[in-house]
Amino acid sequence: GAVVSQHPSRVICKSGTSVKIECRSLDFQATTMFWYRQFPKQSLMLMATSNEGSKATYEQGVEKDKFLINHASLTLSTLTVTSAHPEDSSFYICSARSRQDNSPLHFGNGTRLTVT
Amino acid sequence: QKEVEQNSGPLSVPEGAIASLNCTYSDRGSQSFFWYRQYSGKSPELIMSIYSNGDKEDGRFTAQLNKASQYVSLLIRDSQPSDSATYLCAVNSGGSYIPTFGRGTSLIVHP
Repeated sequence: GAVVSQHPSRVICKSGTSVKIECRSLDFQATTMFWYRQFPKQSLMLMATSNEGSKATYEQGVEKDKFLINHASLTLSTLTVTSAHPEDSSFYICSARSRQDNSPLHFGNGTRLTVT
Repeated sequence: QKEVEQNSGPLSVPEGAIASLNCTYSDRGSQSFFWYRQYSGKSPELIMSIYSNGDKEDGRFTAQLNKASQYVSLLIRDSQPSDSATYLCAVNSGGSYIPTFGRGTSLIVHP
């Protein structure tokens, strides 16, 4: 149980274009989803937390107009990287949890974004 | 600021040995503790959760929690080369339910 599906797994795009990443909870209702970014050999960096039906809460230093997060249903959250630039190239990982409590996070498989 | 500290390693152990991974945290109000394994290029996967003081065993893995010392550890018995990965410690502080991750410890199990 607790499967989180993330698509695409890998995307290459040109500078200036936008990329949408989908995160779905397949067998549970995800009241909260978290979006992380990870650069090579570095730890996870939390970008934002989203609760279903609410606006996302962004971490300090993360541009909300650049990284658009939508959590419109209990099973789907999307992250759109707008006007991507090479410095946005990274590994983006979503995670989800069914309850607002101390239960563990379940991670998607991640999306490797390369901006050329 | 809530902090979770891990030695980055690499920790190198021979196959069949016990690997011991350690994590300390700063927030005394922390309530839940997790160990995740992350293979290179992959996303983290949950290995263990622990919520109360003492040991919790699951197969070859044992998590140990000491809230007084603000210390959580992961023991891997009979280490295998397939255990070679980065191990992330995550801590939920009371109230926010947003986990804070350590930087991870790289484990190498050599044949």
